Order: sequence, then C-alpha cells, then structure tokens
Amino acid sequence: DGGITQSPKYLFRKEGQNVTLSCEQNLNHDAMYWYRQDPGQGLRLIYYSQIVNDFQKGDIAEGYSVSREKKESFPLTVTSAQKNPTAFYLCASSPGLWMGEQFFGPGTRLTVL
Amino acid sequence: DAKTTQPPSMDCAEGRAANLPCNHSTISGNEYVYWYRQIHSQGPQYIIHGLKNNETNEMASLIITEDRKSSTLILPHATLRDTAVYYCIVRVKTSYDKVIFGPGTSLSVIP
Repeated sequence: DGGITQSPKYLFRKEGQNVTLSCEQNLNHDAMYWYRQDPGQGLRLIYYSQIVNDFQKGDIAEGYSVSREKKESFPLTVTSAQKNPTAFYLCASSPGLWMGEQFFGPGTRLTVL
Repeated sequence: DAKTTQPPSMDCAEGRAANLPCNHSTISGNEYVYWYRQIHSQGPQYIIHGLKNNETNEMASLIITEDRKSSTLILPHATLRDTAVYYCIVRVKTSYDKVIFGPGTSLSVIP
C-alpha cells in the first residue's frame, strides 16, 4: 500500500537539543511539505520541496532545517534556535507542488522538556 | 489571507446528517472548494472537492451554491468516528499558491 509515514509518533527532547523528524513516502510524489500545528490552530507551513535537492522556506521556517536528498524522504530538523518547538508536526506530499490533493502522514508530537 | 470562514464548532446527533457550512465570498471562477478533515492527533484526510456542481462520494456530499459564495459539506449519517476538525479550502486545482489550512470547524458527534 502506498502512503506516507512519520516516525516516531511521540518524541521527547531536552531543551537545547536538535532533533530530526522523519518523513518517508512511497507515492512517487515530487512535492513534500512540513507543517506545524499548535492546539486549536490550523496548520502552518514550515518548509516545502518541489523536487529532490530543492526546498523553500514556508511561513515559519526560523529554527528549522530540512534536506531532500531522495525523492522519498524529507526529514525536518528542529534546532535549538526554535523558541517554542513543542507542537504537532505533520508531513505531507502531493504529485506536484501545490497540485492535487495533499496526502498527510500521521504526525509526530514533539515535546521539549 | 483567509479565503474561507467556518463556524468554530458544531454538534451533531449520531445517525443524523451533519451539515458543515463554509463561506467563500471572494472565490474566483477557477478556484475549487476542497474539504479535508483531521481526527484528533492524526494527519488531515482529503474528503471531497468541487468546482460548481454538487459532488458526492463514499464519504460525503458537497453542495455549492449557484453563486459559489458558499458551500456545505454533508455527512449523511454521522457516526462517532466522524468527530473531527473539518477544513474548507478554496484554491485553483493546478495553482502554485500554497494551501492554507485555517482553524476549521470542530464537529462533535454526540451519542
């Protein structure tokens, strides 16, 4: 079955540590996205990637970094520079950049202690 | 910029139809209406989309007014598993404009 996976589902880190969230898709989609969701809020775009080796900042990129070395993978690193990292992080993909329906992963809930 | 407005919350009795409204008064002629939903602690899930005709699939029906300034998502027989946040989004189908997920409508299906 094709889909998009994120791991782990829950992640705890100490303040000041960098942490990398995994996102993998086997849908053969070119575009991938990272969103952040805070309680009771909509989704806010962190980074997005149109193709391999290309990515662009979204609305709230500060304190985050990404890479896109493979089509299937789009990991997100939450750095110590991110002031409020505790949130629910969602990865998504679509056939083309902003084209068609976006397919979402199950999300990773990051808690920084 | 918010292109849609939705009520923040709604209740629906189990087994009854849930009608979720969305206003998109500034919609342009080539913009589609998309609906997603997000069950607690999961990623959003695509439900349905339409341009101007009413649409129906196995999950829901979408009714778009003739002037296209508003629409209603209908879940014909709501179940407890339909409790979720429902997002209404308008966008051009092949646009390079980013998809904006607003706060949506939190639907509670009550036994």
